[in-house]
Amino acid sequence: DGGITQSPKYLFRKEGQNVTLSCEQNLNHDAMYWYRQDPGQGLRLIYYSQIVNDFQKGDIAEGYSVSREKKESFPLTVTSAQKNPTAFYLCASSIGNAYSYNEQFFGPGTRLTVL
Amino acid sequence: SQQGEEDPQALSIQEGENATMNCSYKTSINNLQWYRQNSGRGLVHLILIRSNEREKHSGRLRVTLDTSKKSSSLLITASRAADTASYFCATAPNQAGTALIFGKGTTLSVSS
Repeated sequence: DGGITQSPKYLFRKEGQNVTLSCEQNLNHDAMYWYRQDPGQGLRLIYYSQIVNDFQKGDIAEGYSVSREKKESFPLTVTSAQKNPTAFYLCASSIGNAYSYNEQFFGPGTRLTVL
Repeated sequence: SQQGEEDPQALSIQEGENATMNCSYKTSINNLQWYRQNSGRGLVHLILIRSNEREKHSGRLRVTLDTSKKSSSLLITASRAADTASYFCATAPNQAGTALIFGKGTTLSVSS
């Protein structure tokens, strides 16, 4: 089965801790994205990557970091500098680069709660 | 930098009725896309309409695009309870270096 997976589904973090959210795809897509979704809100772009070892900040990158060491993987670290990290995090991928504006395929999401 | 704004924010209808959602945006676009999100799940792509297209169909979905009014509509005909979800429009700007921009969505409830 081709697709995009995220883990874990639920994540609890204590204040002051860094946590890393996993995103893996086997669709052979070049572009990958991380979004944050708050209740009743749309998606806000955190980071995106168009190629291995390269990534760009989105609209709300502060307090987050990413890496793209492999085409299949795009992990997101929520650092202690992120003031309000409780949210639903969605990873997506697409064919071509981010500016090809092709359809995006989404993972099932990770719900992060800060205790 | 949210560009697309959906209207209404929430919509409740009976099974069998049609549901219409609208999306307005501010700057010129390359294409506009509609996505569906079931509660607590990821988004699923429904349809993409390019700036030079006016109407597109996919099953019970009909999307229109009016670039002069900078607006799009998504019509779901003969709604079913399974159509209950949030629907988002996403705009692809005609601006180098800008990624796809999602709106805040319309929440559709279809009751049987």
